Amino acid sequence: DQQVKQNSPSLSVQEGRISILNCDYTNSMFDYFLWYKKYPAEGPTFLISISSIKDKNEDGRFTVFLNKSAKHLSLHIVPSQPGDSAVYFCAALGSGGSNYKLTFGKGTLLTVNP
Amino acid sequence: DTAVSQTPKYLVTQMGNDKSIKCEQNLGHDTMYWYKQDSKKFLKIMFSYNNKELIINETVPNRFSPKSPDKAHLNLHINSLELGDSAVYFCASSQPDGNTEAFFGQGTRLTVV
Repeated sequence: DQQVKQNSPSLSVQEGRISILNCDYTNSMFDYFLWYKKYPAEGPTFLISISSIKDKNEDGRFTVFLNKSAKHLSLHIVPSQPGDSAVYFCAALGSGGSNYKLTFGKGTLLTVNP
Repeated sequence: DTAVSQTPKYLVTQMGNDKSIKCEQNLGHDTMYWYKQDSKKFLKIMFSYNNKELIINETVPNRFSPKSPDKAHLNLHINSLELGDSAVYFCASSQPDGNTEAFFGQGTRLTVV
């Protein structure tokens, strides 16, 4: 039972354009959401996060939007750069004792073409 | 200076063998984890330790035994390896207080033949 879903396995965009990666979740207990970036043969690296009390968090070229009523979040990267090409994982942390466990989506492979 | 390091990076072994993967973090975190990324690319938690005490065991077979000699180390021992154990195993660490990101090691690709 996937509690965090990334329905697009891959996304291809042109350099300089916006990349939008989407994530849906089913567990209403989740209250903190994170995006991780992963290059081949490396571990996931933290990118940006958002608390459920916010609907937007911005860090440079990266912005995460959260729509709690729709149980949906998205990561916007603008402008996209070739070095952004990687797998992006959406992850969630929950209250009620689940703060020690990240629940991950399956990932979306982003390719930014020069 | 690597924050979370795990060894080896690659491990190829025969069915039935016993193997260990080591993990060390120099971030001063109290909580450490083992995650498994299977062939379908799902990253799923296996274990979580907080200050050397087991706090999460996600119904992992008891052939897998984590050992935490101190809060900077969490090693994973696997007995009687099976073909289905082939996966990439990631160690991670974080602070346990409040919502915070976890830092991951580079992963250990285990192949059981």
